[in-house]
Amino acid sequence: AQSVTQLDSHVSVSEGTPVLLRCNYSSSYSPSLFWYVQHPNKGLQLLLKYTSAATLVKGINGFEAEFKKSETSFHLTKPSAHMSDAAEYFCVVSDRTGGFKAIFGAGTRLFVKA
Amino acid sequence: GAVVSQHPSWVICKSGTSVKIECRSLDFQATTMFWYRQFPKQSLMLMATSNEGSKATYEQGVEKDKFLINHASLTLSTLTVTSAHPEDSSFYICSASRDGLSYNEQFFGPGTRLTVL
Repeated sequence: AQSVTQLDSHVSVSEGTPVLLRCNYSSSYSPSLFWYVQHPNKGLQLLLKYTSAATLVKGINGFEAEFKKSETSFHLTKPSAHMSDAAEYFCVVSDRTGGFKAIFGAGTRLFVKA
Repeated sequence: GAVVSQHPSWVICKSGTSVKIECRSLDFQATTMFWYRQFPKQSLMLMATSNEGSKATYEQGVEKDKFLINHASLTLSTLTVTSAHPEDSSFYICSASRDGLSYNEQFFGPGTRLTVL
């Protein structure tokens, strides 16, 4: 069965410093992996996705993530945080088991200090 | 492309009434759609998988008689919350899986906020 673990429930950074949001996954098959962002009282926005092509994936707003099969990780990074990055971030895994269901991590709340 | 809409975006209803939420894929066909529920400050939890022309598959613990799902066409799925109660108040989000892709990416609607008084 597939699962995803977001290792930090909260991350706090200062504006202009790097962001690291950690995600580990479990999947029996070649997974698709996604990062979504959700601002308060808003829907989900796709940041980036890994679908078995390049292991380093670049997304919107300067975010990127690296798929590491040996570590079963898909951590999200950004070189320099902006105040507008403050939001909830979800790591999602999906594979062929169970009909391509998307399994969400618990989420990581990112706080950005001025 | 790959836009999913939901209607209504928010709804307030009285306890005991039923509420229908629509999920539409606007520019693609979706054999499979999914319904999620999100409580405040929590993650999304899958409620059910909706397949066009067949019965929905519900996740464990989800009452299928309370949350009726209909997927009558390749672009429309509906979720009806029957006899709604305050504990059903939540943010409901649908997603659609685009046919023909070699990988699975779900495209999410903007969500419907339900408040039951």
